[in-house]
Amino acid sequence: NAGVTQTPKFQVLKTGQSMTLQCAQDMNHNSMYWYRQDPGMGLRLIYYSASEGTTDKGEVPNGYNVSRLNKREFSLRLESAAPSQTSVYFCASSEGAGETQYFGPGTRLLVL
Amino acid sequence: KQEVTQIPAALSVPEGENLVLNCSFTDSAIYNLQWFRQDPGKGLTSLLLIQSSQREQTSGRLNASLDKSSGRSTLYIAASQPGDSATYLCAVRNAGNMLTFGGGTRLMVKP
Repeated sequence: NAGVTQTPKFQVLKTGQSMTLQCAQDMNHNSMYWYRQDPGMGLRLIYYSASEGTTDKGEVPNGYNVSRLNKREFSLRLESAAPSQTSVYFCASSEGAGETQYFGPGTRLLVL
Repeated sequence: KQEVTQIPAALSVPEGENLVLNCSFTDSAIYNLQWFRQDPGKGLTSLLLIQSSQREQTSGRLNASLDKSSGRSTLYIAASQPGDSATYLCAVRNAGNMLTFGGGTRLMVKP
């Protein structure tokens, strides 16, 4: 079991560029999440998917879009990157809403 | 809006010491509380999850307690080891699927 995997591990973008962060889990979990972690701000929820076919906004959704491609995969897209989106992005999954969340290793994004 | 605070922000102890990490939250209407460990440059690893109806959970040398009415949780680490050095995060779940995280306590256990 690989658990939760994320690609890429590290990315540098220029302001205005777009990119998609990929996340996959092999635990047959129903719920998946995207967080960002910033110094002094802690971890904040961007979007989540309670089950396949559904997505909902979290605390800081502006500037992002998500796609729950299937039960395994949940992607996060930045359409026009801004320096304020420089952060570490974590994907997580859980068997159901409110269950223990399992995190991926993170994607470090730098927007210049 | 739920706010979660962890004190202290950093802690350094000698190996073998028992220690307590604190987590407080402002809205006591929680579904559960989860403690995580994060190593530098890594993701989060779940340590313990306490449901709102529970008072404590134990896993090995770790014991987490929950006092929902006072908005507090503690993580007790017995006989600390250098391998316990990491940042410890607590997170609470209110209605819905959102977890609200504290800022973490950075623990260093010196040999």
